[in-house]
Amino acid sequence: SQTIHQWPATLVQPVGSPLSLECTVEGTSNPNLYWYRQAAGRGLQLLFYSVGIGQISSEVPQNLSASRPQDRQFILSSKKLLLSDSGFYLCAWSARRDRGWNSPLHFGNGTRLTVT
Amino acid sequence: DQQVKQNSPSLSVQEGRISILNCDYTNSMFDYFLWYKKYPAEGPTFLISISSIKDKNEDGRFTVFLNKSAKHLSLHIVPSQPGDSAVYFCAARATSGTYKYIFGTGTRLKVLA
Repeated sequence: SQTIHQWPATLVQPVGSPLSLECTVEGTSNPNLYWYRQAAGRGLQLLFYSVGIGQISSEVPQNLSASRPQDRQFILSSKKLLLSDSGFYLCAWSARRDRGWNSPLHFGNGTRLTVT
Repeated sequence: DQQVKQNSPSLSVQEGRISILNCDYTNSMFDYFLWYKKYPAEGPTFLISISSIKDKNEDGRFTVFLNKSAKHLSLHIVPSQPGDSAVYFCAARATSGTYKYIFGTGTRLKVLA
């Protein structure tokens, strides 16, 4: 069965510090990978998605970036965090199109980021 | 532009009764719809989905109804249980030309014992 791992679970970082959140998927190959953010009292905002190694699509221009160095690894980064970057960050995966076009999105347990 | 809308931020229902959560969308290209349940400090869990070729999909206590002409979907939970208390998100995707899943803002369901 497929599993998704996301770490750390919680993170407190000062303003201006760098960020690196990592996500890995097991039990599937060539997944589509996603980063979402849930700000306090808000819905789920799509930040980035990737359909293959090195292929990143950005949905929201901001000081965050994403990378996919390996097929099942997705990394969210920032060089300098802002207070507004605080939130609940979620990694997710879905099956590739040729493996089930109507494939649900499966989420990790999230990272609670607090920028102080 | 909020393409997927959940206009009710909260809903309270008595245990054993039916819970109905609603969702509206604006993009006519959406043809795959999903419902998720989320507890605090956890990732959303997939509940049920429906393709636009159907108007109803059922899985145990959960049923999703799709009204394409009204661009409206709903999730029915019957009977409601206290463990159903959570935030529910609807999501939508256009299966051609995009890989994006667009989520609503969520409805907090409280099932009263």
